[in-house]
Amino acid sequence: AQTVTQSQPEMSVQEAETVTLSCTYDTSESDYYLFWYKQPPSRQMILVIRQEAYKQQNATENRFSVNFQKAAKSFSLKISDSQLGDAAMYFCAYRPPGYGQNFVFGPGTRLSVLP
Amino acid sequence: DGGITQSPKYLFRKEGQNVTLSCEQNLNHDAMYWYRQDPGQGLRLIYYSQIVNDFQKGDIAEGYSVSREKKESFPLTVTSAQKNPTAFYLCASSQRTGAKNIQYFGAGTRLSVL
Repeated sequence: AQTVTQSQPEMSVQEAETVTLSCTYDTSESDYYLFWYKQPPSRQMILVIRQEAYKQQNATENRFSVNFQKAAKSFSLKISDSQLGDAAMYFCAYRPPGYGQNFVFGPGTRLSVLP
Repeated sequence: DGGITQSPKYLFRKEGQNVTLSCEQNLNHDAMYWYRQDPGQGLRLIYYSQIVNDFQKGDIAEGYSVSREKKESFPLTVTSAQKNPTAFYLCASSQRTGAKNIQYFGAGTRLSVL
């Protein structure tokens, strides 16, 4: 079974600095999808960024970028110029290829942003 | 606007009572999901449905039941058999496959036991 691991239960970053959240996953598939979701104190889950495994180029969305290392099965999230609004739980998620597959979520990393 | 609506936002259950959480989506998604989230924890899959009139148990289905009579609706019933129902419940939907297989979430329902 696929598993997703986030080894950092909590992280903190100074406002305007850069922070990297780690995620590793286990799969025997060659093609799949990876996601980072953000859950702020409101508890609304928000998609941050998405990566397709067959694409070698790392995904980028404004201040958010990923470092996708397929061979190492690693999918880290980098947040640049951190803002107070970035404080949230961040969940890494994996979805296998194919029809009707479910998502597998990691346990989450709580990010605090210090003013 | 397209999205997922969960109601109510807060719900209280008495001992021995069944309660139903509503989830409606107007995204025309085939697949819908229910997750449970305990404080400081990740998401655990309760039930999922890939198509109308069909649903499957997730990792923690005991004490819960669902129905999928309409594409846009996937209600979750927390039965009296669920001895520890206090949690935050999230409903989600997605396309079944393809490039747009992003999972979208509702705002959640917080269930507490009186």
